[in-house]
Amino acid sequence: GAGVSQSPSNKVTEKGKDVELRCDPISGHTALYWYRQSLGQGLEFLIYFQGNSAPDKSGLPSDRFSAERTGGSVSTLTIQRTQQEDSAVYLCASSLSTGARTYEQYFGPGTRLTVT
Amino acid sequence: GDSVTQMEGPVTLSEEAFLTINCTYTATGYPSLFWYVQYPGEGLQLLLKATKADDKGSNKGFEATYRKETTSFHLEKGSVQVSDSAVYFCALEGSTLGRLYFGRGTQLTVWP
Repeated sequence: GAGVSQSPSNKVTEKGKDVELRCDPISGHTALYWYRQSLGQGLEFLIYFQGNSAPDKSGLPSDRFSAERTGGSVSTLTIQRTQQEDSAVYLCASSLSTGARTYEQYFGPGTRLTVT
Repeated sequence: GDSVTQMEGPVTLSEEAFLTINCTYTATGYPSLFWYVQYPGEGLQLLLKATKADDKGSNKGFEATYRKETTSFHLEKGSVQVSDSAVYFCALEGSTLGRLYFGRGTQLTVWP
């Protein structure tokens, strides 16, 4: 079956603009994760959705970052008023999850965001 | 808090050489430990994992043993191939379910 897909694959935006990044998880996966991969910080956790529970937003770096997951499937990560330090590859992953344990996370190819 | 430290790269080896990439961790409780690999132009893939002390994860000739006494999970392969050239990430899942903490990654290049 299809893996995790993300769009766009590349995004160049001007400083101050808002951007939306999309993630389509593997069908049937109840857990969805966003990570950021940047030169300075490595791979950082951003946010985790598990079923209908309130998301774990503890990794979001500022209130300019938000994410939603509609219908328990597709997720959108929104960055408002982008800054140059937001330039990074944004990775989405999904997994099965029972709430008591998690399973292997499957990663998408990422969206490379460049803020000019 | 939970964290992972892995050896800085890049690592350059000749084909059939022995590989070790060191990884140590800090965590409360009993984390699960992982190695992920990112091949050029591809997404992160799980390479192997271990969920409790003394477990050995293995896949594609790679091995790593969960050592609680030394808080380590070093990746080893006895004979690397050109096709093993990739970036390798050590990671842990600690007390917060689902949240992975990654090391900085180690770039491996294998020459024929």
